[in-house]
Amino acid sequence: AQKVTQAQTEISVVEKEDVTLDCVYETRDTTYYLFWYKQPPSGELVFLIRRNSFDEQNEISGRYSWNFQKSTSSFNFTITASQVVDSAVYFCALISMDSNYQLIWGAGTKLIIKP
Amino acid sequence: GAVVSQHPSWVICKSGTSVKIECRSLDFQATTMFWYRQFPKQSLMLMATSNEGSKATYEQGVEKDKFLINHASLTLSTLTVTSAHPEDSSFYICSAYQADIAKNIQYFGAGTRLSVL
Repeated sequence: AQKVTQAQTEISVVEKEDVTLDCVYETRDTTYYLFWYKQPPSGELVFLIRRNSFDEQNEISGRYSWNFQKSTSSFNFTITASQVVDSAVYFCALISMDSNYQLIWGAGTKLIIKP
Repeated sequence: GAVVSQHPSWVICKSGTSVKIECRSLDFQATTMFWYRQFPKQSLMLMATSNEGSKATYEQGVEKDKFLINHASLTLSTLTVTSAHPEDSSFYICSAYQADIAKNIQYFGAGTRLSVL
């Protein structure tokens, strides 16, 4: 069975703080892809990153970084020096052959950055 | 990244009328498009998978006669909500899947907020 769990329903931090969004996944496939999408209040889903199961290297893109650990089936997302514009709902998702290449979504984490 | 255009972004209609939503991939060919529905404060719920030139595959519980999907070209898919009722009010989002399946990335439209009075 495929499953993505984002246990944090809502996180609120003050601007400039670092914040980590957790994502834990389940799949029997050895080949799979993990994603993070951002959904600002406007509603559009913005693709942030894709990571395949064979690449455990962590990735950094500006203030964003991702920590992929197969040993714990986690793909966590960290925003460094958060800004108000980072306020959004963030979704973690999984694709694998078992999911027929359809995205399996986590419930989302609402991130509130206070000025 | 690839651009997906969804139109209209917001529509209000009377109960009993039909509403068509368009989803276009602007700078790539999308052999597959997906239609989602999102309720307030919830994750995305897949409604159907649309492949160019063939009938859409609907998820369990989604009425195919209520939500008509047409994927006539590699850049356009449409969702028609027929005889809309207030319970159909929701946020509908499409995504387009790049033809290069190795990328495995879905790019999303901006969504359509449907309000049925």
